Amino acid sequence: AQTVTQSQPEMSVQEAETVTLSCTYDTSESNYYLFWYKQPPSRQMILVIRQEAYKQQNATENRFSVNFQKAAKSFSLKISDSQLGDTAMYFCAFLKTSYDKVIFGPGTSLSVIP
Amino acid sequence: DTEVTQTPKHLVMGMTNKKSLKCEQHMGHRAMYWYKQKAKKPPELMFVYSYEKLSINESVPSRFSPECPNSSLLNLHLHALQPEDSALYLCASSPHGGRGLDGELFFGEGSRLTVL
Repeated sequence: AQTVTQSQPEMSVQEAETVTLSCTYDTSESNYYLFWYKQPPSRQMILVIRQEAYKQQNATENRFSVNFQKAAKSFSLKISDSQLGDTAMYFCAFLKTSYDKVIFGPGTSLSVIP
Repeated sequence: DTEVTQTPKHLVMGMTNKKSLKCEQHMGHRAMYWYKQKAKKPPELMFVYSYEKLSINESVPSRFSPECPNSSLLNLHLHALQPEDSALYLCASSPHGGRGLDGELFFGEGSRLTVL
């Protein structure tokens, strides 16, 4: 069975600084999807960034980028130029195929400090 | 329209009440989900409907009863709940078998349920 681990329950970062959130996963599959979801306080969860395992290039979305290390089964999220609106729970997630259920990590609570 | 709409946003009910949570999406997604989420925890999958058929039931107690009347609507009927069922209930949808957005979940804002 697949598992997702986020070893940092809470993190904080100064506004405008860069922060990296860690995620590791365990699977025997060679093709799969990885996601980072963001859930701001009292607001809906949204997708931040996704990575398909067969793609070697790391995904980027504006200030958000990932460091995908397939052999190490690591999928970290880097947030550059942190903004107050980045304060949220961040969940790393794994999906084998679109017909399977998403496996969420335990989450990292990120606080951006003015 | 890229929204998943959930009603009501807040619900308080007694242990003998019957109530329903509703979810609607108009993105043409063919998979819809119910999740339960406790504070500071990840969502826990409850049910999955794929092409309007129940495809996954994560051993959820029978006091929770899902219904998918059509491809745009998803209901969760609640009856004889316990205080430990108090949580945020999230609805989500996703494209099914397509490319590009494959696997991405689109979440609603949730219905916060309190059982007294």
